[in-house]
Amino acid sequence: DQQVKQNSPSLSVQEGRISILNCDYTNSMFDYFLWYKKYPAEGPTFLISISSIKDKNEDGRFTVFLNKSAKHLSLHIVPSQPGDSAVYFCAASALEYGNKLVFGAGTILRVKS
Amino acid sequence: GAGVSQSPRYKVAKRGQDVALRCDPISGHVSLFWYQQALGQGPEFLTYFQNEAQLDKSGLPSDRFFAERPEGSVSTLKIQRTQQEDSAVYLCASSWSEQETQYFGPGTRLLVL
Repeated sequence: DQQVKQNSPSLSVQEGRISILNCDYTNSMFDYFLWYKKYPAEGPTFLISISSIKDKNEDGRFTVFLNKSAKHLSLHIVPSQPGDSAVYFCAASALEYGNKLVFGAGTILRVKS
Repeated sequence: GAGVSQSPRYKVAKRGQDVALRCDPISGHVSLFWYQQALGQGPEFLTYFQNEAQLDKSGLPSDRFFAERPEGSVSTLKIQRTQQEDSAVYLCASSWSEQETQYFGPGTRLLVL
């Protein structure tokens, strides 16, 4: 039972354009959502997060949008840069579950120069 | 300051061998998490410590897996009688408290032959 789903295994975007990565979840108990970026042979690096009481959080080129009614969140990267090429993981947690993270399977982003 | 470190970075074990994986969390971080990441998947929760107390071990796949954090700092994940299906990357993460952002180490890639 996959509670967090990233339905696009990969995404290719031209440098300078917007990258949009999507994530869906099924468990309505989740109250905190995070995006992590992972390069090969490294651990996931925290990018940005959002609490369920908000619908948008922005940090530089990265914006996360949360639509609770649709149980959907997305990460926007504007403008995309070649260094953004990596695997992006969506994760969710719930205070009820001790904040252990439940991850999606990841989306490989390739930014072409 | 220093991030989360893990050792060894790579481990090859013969089936049936015992292995021990070490995690050094960020200094002062109270919470420590272990995750297992199979190829092409997102990380999956194994177990969680708050200081030296193991508060959740619901993700450990079998009784061959054992984790400890005796002094509330360094943690060791031990796998007894390794099987081929144990081959994965084992990630450790730490945070200031249960509700704070988790920061990941580079992982230990375990290959069981």
